[in-house]
Amino acid sequence: GAGVSQSPSNKVTEKGKDVELRCDPISGHTALYWYRQRLGQGLEFLIYFQGNSAPDKSGLPSDRFSAERTGESVSTLTIQRTQQEDSAVYLCASSLRGTSGGALVEQYFGPGTRLTVT
Amino acid sequence: GQQVMQIPQYQHVQEGEDFTTYCNSSTTLSNIQWYKQRPGGHPVFLIQLVKSGEVKKQKRLTFQFGEAKKNSSLHITATQTTDVGTYFCQFFGNEKLTFGTGTRLTIIP
Repeated sequence: GAGVSQSPSNKVTEKGKDVELRCDPISGHTALYWYRQRLGQGLEFLIYFQGNSAPDKSGLPSDRFSAERTGESVSTLTIQRTQQEDSAVYLCASSLRGTSGGALVEQYFGPGTRLTVT
Repeated sequence: GQQVMQIPQYQHVQEGEDFTTYCNSSTTLSNIQWYKQRPGGHPVFLIQLVKSGEVKKQKRLTFQFGEAKKNSSLHITATQTTDVGTYFCQFFGNEKLTFGTGTRLTIIP
C-alpha cells in the first residue's frame, strides 16, 4: 500500500516568506507526527496529532510554526516569516495508533521536505 | 531532568567487523525503539523493546534492553555495506517523544 507522502520534496524560499508543507499519512493511521532534522543532526520532535484530541505542540520552536490536521488525514505545517535557521528537512510520520501512557508505537516516515531559506 | 546519551557519535568499521551503539538514560525508560536512517533517506523502524532484560534478534542485529531499563544497545555482527547509515534510539524524554543523537556507521570495504 501507499506509504506516507510529503510535498513538496524540496522548497527554496527567501527569508521572511511563509511556507506550507504537506503530509499525507498512511490511510487508517490515527496518529501523525512532524519532526525537523537539521543537516547531520538528529530528529527534533515538533508536533503530534492523535485522533480528535488536542495536538501536542510542545516541540514547536516558536510561534512562527503552526500545524493543522484535517480529521485523520492530511496535515500541513506552516512556517511564517522564515529564517535561515529554519533550513532543514521536515519529516512527517504516521502510526496506526497513538502513543499513550508513555508507550511508543512504530512510526512510518515520509521522504521529507528539504527546506532551504536563502 | 532526564538525560539520555547515545554513543558513539560515529563508528568506522571494516566490513565484517562488529558494531554496537548504546543509548544510556539517567532515568528508567518505559520502552525504547530503534530506527535506521540510510544516507539521504528517512528513518525506518527496526524494533521496540519493552521488558526489563529483553533481547531481540533480527538476523545479524541484536537488540538489548537493560535489566534496570536505563540502557539499550544495538549490536550488528559481521557488518556489511548495506548496514551503512545512522542508527537512532527513540524514547519518551521528559514526557516528550525524543530521538537519540544517533550513531553514524560507515563501512570500510
